[in-house]
Amino acid sequence: KQEVTQIPAALSVPEGENLVLNCSFTDSAIYNLQWFRQDPGKGLTSLLLIQSSQREQTSGRLNASLDKSSGRSTLYIAASQPGDSATYLCAVRGTNAGKSTFGDGTTLTVKP
Amino acid sequence: KAGVTQTPRYLIKTRGQQVTLSCSPISGHRSVSWYQQTPGQGLQFLFEYFSETQRNKGNFPGRFSGRQFSNSRSEMNVSTLELGDSALYLCASSIYSGTGLGEQYFGPGTRLTVT
Repeated sequence: KQEVTQIPAALSVPEGENLVLNCSFTDSAIYNLQWFRQDPGKGLTSLLLIQSSQREQTSGRLNASLDKSSGRSTLYIAASQPGDSATYLCAVRGTNAGKSTFGDGTTLTVKP
Repeated sequence: KAGVTQTPRYLIKTRGQQVTLSCSPISGHRSVSWYQQTPGQGLQFLFEYFSETQRNKGNFPGRFSGRQFSNSRSEMNVSTLELGDSALYLCASSIYSGTGLGEQYFGPGTRLTVT
């Protein structure tokens, strides 16, 4: 059974800081990994998708990496802004392709 | 292109009643997945449909069911509601490409409160 862990559970940083969010998973037989952000009471917004054959993806100030062999992914946020404050979730889609397993998320607060 | 839409957005029901939630995927997306989100359990997979067929199912009791129509719209039904069914129900759609399932796009969710 796939288990996904995100550390830390919460993170507070001053504006402008670069930061890294971590996601680890127990079963390396994955189809893809996707990072989302969720604002309070809202749905999930897709940030980045990494296919199992890829090592990283970039979008603007965001960079996500994937190391299947060690069961880890990181989301790097450069030059953080108060608008980045949200909960960040990673989801691992197993080779049983339809099902995604989510971590519990990291709640990020960026202070002005 | 319109995003994933879910109706209704908010719902209040009484224990023992049943409820039907609806999800319209992004045009061209044939895969629809449903998730339940609660503060205690996080996001949990309910089921996934592709071309009107249920392909995967999570560990939920039989009171939770779903279906998908020929236009890819999906509904989920919860019968005999319990207080613990209070949650945000999220729907996600995906497209199949040559390499398989692509990115999941989520709707805004339906907030169900059971009293």
